[in-house]
Amino acid sequence: SAVISQKPSRDICQRGTSLTIQCQVDSQVTMMFWYRQQPGQSLTLIATANQGSEATYESGFVIDKFPISRPNLTFSTLTVSNMSPEDSSIYLCSVEPGANSYEQYFGPGTRLTVT
Amino acid sequence: GQNIDQPTEMTATEGAIVQINCTYQTSGFNGLFWYQQHAGEAPTFLSYNVLDGLEEKGRFSSFLSRSKGYSYLLLKELQMKDSASYLCAVRGAGGYQKVTFGTGTKLQVIP
Repeated sequence: SAVISQKPSRDICQRGTSLTIQCQVDSQVTMMFWYRQQPGQSLTLIATANQGSEATYESGFVIDKFPISRPNLTFSTLTVSNMSPEDSSIYLCSVEPGANSYEQYFGPGTRLTVT
Repeated sequence: GQNIDQPTEMTATEGAIVQINCTYQTSGFNGLFWYQQHAGEAPTFLSYNVLDGLEEKGRFSSFLSRSKGYSYLLLKELQMKDSASYLCAVRGAGGYQKVTFGTGTKLQVIP
């Protein structure tokens, strides 16, 4: 398995501002992903964070709103830009540790409230 | 695309056995996950089935039938701490094999 940390764990932000969430893994991993979990809902994949290239976004999510960086195999950031109350959610980083393992592990999440 | 169905809520008694079902219709399939998620916490990995059959891991077992698009998670000797949401998720085919999550089954264990 992999140990994943996220910062911040929670934040309350004003409408129109941006927040960058950091995800750090204790080992090099092949794949990193960002998910959103809105209150009472299941997980929705936002994008796959690709090391050294642009992230791959799912339908309904765009780079201008959710820019992602992945400078190396242990770290990624997700920015939630120009926030509105609809962006209030838990944002989760997840990883697949290696090429021979399809298990996916999740970070503790960042609880975001936009007022 | 992927369509995943599981019951919204279930209630079971401490010490009993409960089976949580998941059915899926997918354009491609490479495996099925079960995750446990306690309220306010991140999901934790329980199992990953690729081949048909039953896989047992302690008190938890997971079954898969690819021909029927069906899986279940079996929890034995239920404990109060098993009260949580259980998420079924399917890994698709092709490309980077995206994982799609069902809406989850909220299990309440009662004394």
